[in-house]
Amino acid sequence: GAVVSQHPSRVICKSGTSVKIECRSLDFQATTMFWYRQFPKQSLMLMATSNEGSKATYEQGVEKDKFLINHASLTLSTLTVTSAHPEDSSFYICSARASAQGNNSPLHFGNGTRLTVT
Amino acid sequence: DAKTTQPPSMDCAEGRAANLPCNHSTISGNEYVYWYRQIHSQGPQYIIHGLKNNETNEMASLIITEDRKSSTLILPHATLRDTAVYYCIVRVADTASKLTFGTGTRLQVTL
Repeated sequence: GAVVSQHPSRVICKSGTSVKIECRSLDFQATTMFWYRQFPKQSLMLMATSNEGSKATYEQGVEKDKFLINHASLTLSTLTVTSAHPEDSSFYICSARASAQGNNSPLHFGNGTRLTVT
Repeated sequence: DAKTTQPPSMDCAEGRAANLPCNHSTISGNEYVYWYRQIHSQGPQYIIHGLKNNETNEMASLIITEDRKSSTLILPHATLRDTAVYYCIVRVADTASKLTFGTGTRLQVTL
């Protein structure tokens, strides 16, 4: 159980275009999802917390107008990288916790999306 | 959330137990210890978590010292597929509480 699906797994786009990444909790509901970014040979860095039915909370230094987050339902959050540039090339990973499993239940992660901006 | 300290890398022979240490000397009473691992180019995988008692599941055992200032993740019979970066994270049990990743321990399992 507790599967998080992320799509696409890889995407290559041209500079200036926008890319949407989907994160779905397949067998549980999640009122909160988290988006991380990971550059090569570095650890995961939290970008934002996605809240169902309300605005996302962004970490310091993350531009909310560039990284648009929509958490439209209890099983889906999307991250849109707008006007992508080569420096946005990274591994983007989402995670979610089953709302019904209690506050100490673990976060489960998707398998990530590797974005390459040319 | 409390910070953790882990060795940057460790080696382990296949079939032997891998013991991965973690220091969390500033942990507070309501913070849990979580362990995740990340195999190359994949999302992190949850392994185990605990508050103060030792825990065991099908993947690993978690030993937490009595003062809770450190813990050890034990993989009883390491295989080559256990080669990964292992992250020890402490967090408050709260719905919106974030997981903050440190640099972890890169475990290399060798033949």
